[in-house]
Amino acid sequence: GAVVSQHPSRVICKSGTSVKIECRSLDFQATTMFWYRQFPKKSLMLMATSNEGSKATYEQGVEKDKFLINHASLTLSTLTVTSAHPEDSSFYICSARDQTVASGNEQFFGPGTRLTVL
Amino acid sequence: LAKTTQPISMDSYEGQEVNITCSHNNIATNDYITWYQQFPSQGPRFIIQGYKTKVTNEVASLFIPADRKSSTLSLPRVSLSDTAVYYCLVGEDDTGFQKLVFGTGTRLLVSP
Repeated sequence: GAVVSQHPSRVICKSGTSVKIECRSLDFQATTMFWYRQFPKKSLMLMATSNEGSKATYEQGVEKDKFLINHASLTLSTLTVTSAHPEDSSFYICSARDQTVASGNEQFFGPGTRLTVL
Repeated sequence: LAKTTQPISMDSYEGQEVNITCSHNNIATNDYITWYQQFPSQGPRFIIQGYKTKVTNEVASLFIPADRKSSTLSLPRVSLSDTAVYYCLVGEDDTGFQKLVFGTGTRLLVSP
């Protein structure tokens, strides 16, 4: 199946700094990618929908100025956590759908990025 | 977006068949039903997807009644490595790219 990668897999940063997380579709093109956040023992929470060449669509309650999303190409979306604080510590996961697959709606998820803000 | 309800947790033993049922009473006509598996500190992995009746692949079966208000994921002969969280999802597809909203999931524990 299609592969989605994330980089870095783990990052530790100081409070107040910004962190960029990359999401890449390795063997397919994705005009739409999704960003999720997951706290320990909790379910995934959809943060935003990333659209190639246009602005991201954020879910209610997610600050667009805090979580900057850029989808500059058909294989790369980035999430930047600006001025990170300890409460932003979480597991961030992206997903993408192979737009060439005609049937079904399978989305492929990245392995996740563990962010720890000190 | 259709909301899903599934048991918080289930316990089983190796070799048994496990059936996890999900309720989605307000599923829309265009919605697919999709199940994902997630291990700790990993992204979810697609298991199976269906629209109606029965779907079977190499790892699971999905049973969907005619009214589509529920679905059952069936895992035959589970092993310890099937211990994971299983999510049932339905989602709107009006743009062609399904927006997935995860519910609480079912935490399956398989014991020896």
